[in-house]
Amino acid sequence: DIVMTQSPDSLAVSLGERATVNCKSSQSVLYRSNNKNYLAWYQQKPGQSPKLLIYWASTRESGVSDRFSGSGSGTDFTLTISSLQAEDVAVYYCQQYYGTPWTFGQGTKVEIK
Amino acid sequence: QITLKESGPTLVKPTQTLTLTCTFSGFSLSSNGEGVGWIRQPPGKALEWLALIFWDDDKRYSPSLKSRLTITKDTSKNQVVLTMTNMDPVDTATYYCTHSAWITPPKASDIWGQGTMVTVSS
Repeated sequence: DIVMTQSPDSLAVSLGERATVNCKSSQSVLYRSNNKNYLAWYQQKPGQSPKLLIYWASTRESGVSDRFSGSGSGTDFTLTISSLQAEDVAVYYCQQYYGTPWTFGQGTKVEIK
Repeated sequence: QITLKESGPTLVKPTQTLTLTCTFSGFSLSSNGEGVGWIRQPPGKALEWLALIFWDDDKRYSPSLKSRLTITKDTSKNQVVLTMTNMDPVDTATYYCTHSAWITPPKASDIWGQGTMVTVSS
C-alpha cells in the first residue's frame, strides 16, 4: 500500500492569513504516461461528508473557491488556503488514487487562531 | 446531477454480517469508466478506503479487509451492495459510498453520499 503522511496534524491560522497543509506519499503517484499526479484533496466540515477540492494534485474541482490551490509532484504535495475564512474550518485529507487501495492521509485539522 | 445514498442497519452484533446498499442516480454503472466506491470513518478518526467496483465489474478491495468484503452491483436498480462479514466493534464507523469514475479526468471520489453510521455492539 502507498502510505500517505500529512503534516501538521493541526494548525491554527488567523483570519485572512495563509494556511498550508503538506502531504507526502511513500512512493511516487505520478503517471509518466500523462504526466499527471493522482493525488486528491478533500475538505470535511464537522458533521458533513467529505468534499472534493482538488484532483490531479493541482486542478480545482468545479465550484471550489480559488482560495484553495494544490501543488507538488511525485511524492510531495501541498494544499494552500490563500486567505483563511471562517467557513474553511475543517479537516483536510489528501488521498492517492495512483493504485488501489486508494489511501488517505491521517487528516489535518485547520482552525482559526 | 449525481447523488448517492447509503442504507442499511444502524446496529449489528459482533460476528454478524453487515450489508449496506448504495442507491445512486445521475449516472449509469453500465457506462464506460463509471465506478462506485465505499469508504468508512470511525468516530473521530480518519477516512479508510474499503472497496471499488467499476462498470466492467472490475472489483478492488482494501488488502487488509479483502477476506471480509464483497462488492456487487445491480445495474438495473442503480445499486451497489457492500457486505462485510464477521463484524467487530472496531468496525463501528460511518460508511460512505462515492462516485469514483475512471474517466478523463479521473477525480478519485468526486461525489459522496451522506453516510450511514453503523455501530457494532452486543
